[in-house]
Amino acid sequence: SAVISQKPSRDICQRGTSLTIQCQVDSQVTMMFWYRQQPGQSLTLIATANQGSEATYESGFVIDKFPISRPNLTFSTLTVSNMSPEDSSIYLCSVEDSPGGSGGAVDEQFFGPGTRLTVL
Amino acid sequence: AQKVTQAQTEISVVEKEDVTLDCVYETRDTTYYLFWYKQPPSGELVFLIRRNSFDEQNEISGRYSWNFQKSTSSFNFTITASQVVDSAVYFCALSASWLSSNTGKLIFGQGTTLQVKP
Repeated sequence: SAVISQKPSRDICQRGTSLTIQCQVDSQVTMMFWYRQQPGQSLTLIATANQGSEATYESGFVIDKFPISRPNLTFSTLTVSNMSPEDSSIYLCSVEDSPGGSGGAVDEQFFGPGTRLTVL
Repeated sequence: AQKVTQAQTEISVVEKEDVTLDCVYETRDTTYYLFWYKQPPSGELVFLIRRNSFDEQNEISGRYSWNFQKSTSSFNFTITASQVVDSAVYFCALSASWLSSNTGKLIFGQGTTLQVKP
């Protein structure tokens, strides 16, 4: 299985500032995703990070607030912009590798250790 | 629309008891995938199982077993002889195949917190 690392593991930030979270995978993967888990809640997909093109955002999430980059098949960043206390969450990177010819199969999805963000 | 419901918010059992976590899903896709994840207190999400919609065979892995029934749109998870280390939040999730625009995206249930007491 893919090994995923995230930086930072946690941070405490001031209102109005921005934080960039990095996600590094030890192998090339087709799909990368960013999820948010608010305190005591389930996981919600923010966006799909597309290599070489703009990310695809889910309803309720916009690029100005959560800009995403994916320069290659092993790395992605998520920025949480102009933060407010409501942004306090765990942000998780997820990867899925569906090799060509898999017939549309969805492979296992693995998650990084998460970045625990607290906004004061 | 796709939806996953885990009606049990919290379950508390005594060690060595068997426990079943329920998961009911909704989807209009004919091909889809179901997952279970474990989130221990440390916070990381641990992959447990993936099952595709064409495979209704039950699966057993050690003390874990899964019962997939398309007729009731359920994918329940049973832990046999529970242990304190099983204490965690368990999430059931749903994903459509590449035939759908939702490919690869996981829709999570609200999670079930399992507490196993010694």
